[in-house]
Formats: sequence, structure tokens, C-alpha cells
Amino acid sequence: DAKTTQPTSMDCAEGRAANLPCNHSTISGNEYVYWYRQIHSQGPQYIIHGLKNNETNEMASLIITEDRKSSTLILPHATLRDTAVYYCIVSPGDMRFGAGTRLTVKP
Amino acid sequence: GAVVSQHPSWVICKSGTSVKIECRSLDFQATTMFWYRQFPKQSLMLMATSNEGSKATYEQGVEKDKFLINHASLTLSTLTVTSAHPEDSSFYICSAYKDGDYGYTFGSGTRLTVV
Repeated sequence: DAKTTQPTSMDCAEGRAANLPCNHSTISGNEYVYWYRQIHSQGPQYIIHGLKNNETNEMASLIITEDRKSSTLILPHATLRDTAVYYCIVSPGDMRFGAGTRLTVKP
Repeated sequence: GAVVSQHPSWVICKSGTSVKIECRSLDFQATTMFWYRQFPKQSLMLMATSNEGSKATYEQGVEKDKFLINHASLTLSTLTVTSAHPEDSSFYICSAYKDGDYGYTFGSGTRLTVV
């Protein structure tokens, strides 16, 4: 089974920030948190990853709690093209995907 | 960057035949590759972990004699679906790992339809 749990679905207004939570309460000290997204009938696309510090790149920001048991992916200004299924996983050691969060960005 | 090429992107085959899917890491060497299958409106299901030069490790419930995985080089892993049946119709995706910023990179997937 996957080591992460995420809400099944979320909606977000276009132009607003999308905050996607992920619980990974059994994460080990050497495991990273990875975020991917999948648009219909395509392979998952890498978004961001982190160990314990918050991370930011051109796509998103990743906030990891101090105890590392949960994290939040932030898309600062969601667009319609961000509509996708978002997955968080912990690795190395486990590349099993949970159900992910289906994010729908609405005009 | 890190690019993984998966081929073919779609294939239709007759029941009883075998189909080979290739997964190549184009600009890096991948010691470990992963194979997934995905049914409509479901998440990716890990089928097996493939290490270069050794036998693949299959997940529970995945038939290793039906889904043959070969990882003969650091840039190529193949998945062969043997004696395919309609229930094997699915979206198959590979992934390769590279140390550093890119982590795990996924191929674009192969849609297999068995008729």
C-alpha cells in the first residue's frame, strides 16, 4: 500500500492559489516527498520534491511540516492547464502511488 | 534534463500474441526502472521494479511469467506481455530514477488494446 493519503478531489478558481495536502505519517528519515501530476492519458510529470526544508521552483512550492508527517503543494496562480491528478509519494524505497487528488481549476 | 522515452505509445494486438514495450532513458543511466499499469480512472499500480543486470522484483499478484521484464543495460528496460488477453488491455507506464534534481522520470505511457 502507498504510504501517503490525499483528498480525493479539490476545486480551485483560476488565478487563485491551489493548496494540495498530503499525509505521510510513516515517512522515514531518509525518505523524500515527491509530487507529480498526471494529465489524462499521459505519463506523470515531475513537479517538485523535498526532504525537510520548504522548496520552490518555477512550477510550485512545497511546504513540509517540521515533523515531516505531512506536506502541502502550492500552485501559486492556478490555470486551467493545471487541471490534473496530483500524486505525492515518498521515496526512495517505495514507488507505490496512492489515489491522488483530482484538482479541477475552474474559470 | 532527464528524459525517458517509451515506445510504442499505443498498440493493438490479437489475443494470444505477445507485445514488447520499450523504456529508454535518453540522457542518463538508470540503475533502477519501474513498470506500472493503470486502468481508466484509477491510480498507477506498481507492477515491478527492474534493476540493471538482475531479475526484476514483481509486486504481489503480478504474474512474472506473463509480464516479462528485461533490464539489459543502464538505458533500456523492456516489458513483454506474453499471450495477451483482453483483460491485459491497459495503460502501461515506465519510470527511471536518476540521482539529483530530477528524481524519478516517467515515460509517456503505452496504451495496449488486446482484441
